[in-house]
Amino acid sequence: AQSVTQLGSHVSVSEGALVLLRCNYSSSVPPYLFWYVQYPNQGLQLLLKYTTGATLVKGINGFEAEFKKSETSFHLTKPSAHMSDAAEYFCAVKEQGGSEKLVFGKGTKLTVNP
Amino acid sequence: NAGVMQNPRHLVRRRGQEARLRCSPMKGHSHVYWYRQLPEEGLKFMVYLQKENIIDESGMPKERFSAEFPKEGPSILRIQQVVRGDSAAYFCASSPDRVSGANVLTFGAGSRLTVL
Repeated sequence: AQSVTQLGSHVSVSEGALVLLRCNYSSSVPPYLFWYVQYPNQGLQLLLKYTTGATLVKGINGFEAEFKKSETSFHLTKPSAHMSDAAEYFCAVKEQGGSEKLVFGKGTKLTVNP
Repeated sequence: NAGVMQNPRHLVRRRGQEARLRCSPMKGHSHVYWYRQLPEEGLKFMVYLQKENIIDESGMPKERFSAEFPKEGPSILRIQQVVRGDSAAYFCASSPDRVSGANVLTFGAGSRLTVL
């Protein structure tokens, strides 16, 4: 069965600092991996996805993530945090060829301090 | 192209009443998914539907919950005899086809159910 673990339910950074949000997954077959962002009282917006091919994936708003199969990780990074990045971030996994359901982590709430 | 439209955005029900949540997928999308988000939790899959068919309802509670996606009109998530534990945000997502490298889920803004 698939599962996602997001280390750190709350992460706080200063504006301009590096953002690192951790995601580890478990999947018995090659996965599709996703990062979504949720702003207060809004739905989820796709930041980026890994399907196949290049393991370093670039997304919107300057975010990127690297798929590391050996570490079963898909950590999200951004070199320089902006106040507008404050939101909740969810990592999700889907098995290629498996059922249609995405399995989500519990989320990491990012706070950006001025 | 309006995104995934959910209504109502907020719904208050008393215990024992029925809640109906509606979802209109993006234009051209025939696959609909419902997820539930409890406080301090990630999203949990509930059900996956295509037009007139329930494909996967493995995440639906066995009782009181039902979903449909008729040939015409929005998808409906129905919760009968609501209890306080049903209070949550319910998100609908749609895609043009099965989730793959090319197709991803587009989420609506959610319907927040509060049971008094």
